[in-house]
Amino acid sequence: EVQLVESGGGLVQPGGSLRLSCAASGFTFSTYNMNWVRQAPGKGLECISYINSRSTTIYYADSVKGRFTVSRDNAKNSLYLQMNSLRAEDTAVYYCARVDYAIDYWGQGTLVTVSS
Amino acid sequence: QLVLTQSPSASASLGASVNLSCTLSSGHNNYAIAWHQQRPEKGPRYLMRLNNDGSHRRGDGIPDRFSGSSSGAERYLTISSLQSEDEADYYCQTWGTGIHVFGGGTKLTVL
Repeated sequence: EVQLVESGGGLVQPGGSLRLSCAASGFTFSTYNMNWVRQAPGKGLECISYINSRSTTIYYADSVKGRFTVSRDNAKNSLYLQMNSLRAEDTAVYYCARVDYAIDYWGQGTLVTVSS
Repeated sequence: QLVLTQSPSASASLGASVNLSCTLSSGHNNYAIAWHQQRPEKGPRYLMRLNNDGSHRRGDGIPDRFSGSSSGAERYLTISSLQSEDEADYYCQTWGTGIHVFGGGTKLTVL
């Protein structure tokens, strides 16, 4: 069974940093591309980063470019999102998602709240 | 620019069928999309991948009440025999070169 489990969310002050993790199991993680997707309260889904299976192709949404960094460790079956210079508008539930052209599996999400 | 457009809301009666639409931006008529369901207070769930020829592949455990079709730049999700549990937000998603794109979502109300 495919499982994606995010962790690392919480309350952080504006300007602070947070690192999210996503533990993958039930599939060969090293062969799949991955996305981070977020959802602000009451809003729709926004894809904020993409990383291919070998970490050779990475994309970011303009809203997070220069502040967020996606990475992965295929030996640990894990995906990461380093978030720096956090703003109030980054408050959202953050999901990791497996990509097989489309997103075909989602994690349960982790809540990040940016507030003083 | 790759953009997906969805109607904000739709409604249909219990037991009836409903079609939700997702429109690809100009020049992207041949793109495949995916449909995702998000029930209230839950995370998203993958429903299916839908190709430009209308062929589709449902995700694990998705009942065949959910089907897809395509016409030009339009991609449709049809839900038949509507149940109360189908009341949810439905998002289309696509991919090309660059970051994946979501439509704004359609909130489906089951009457």
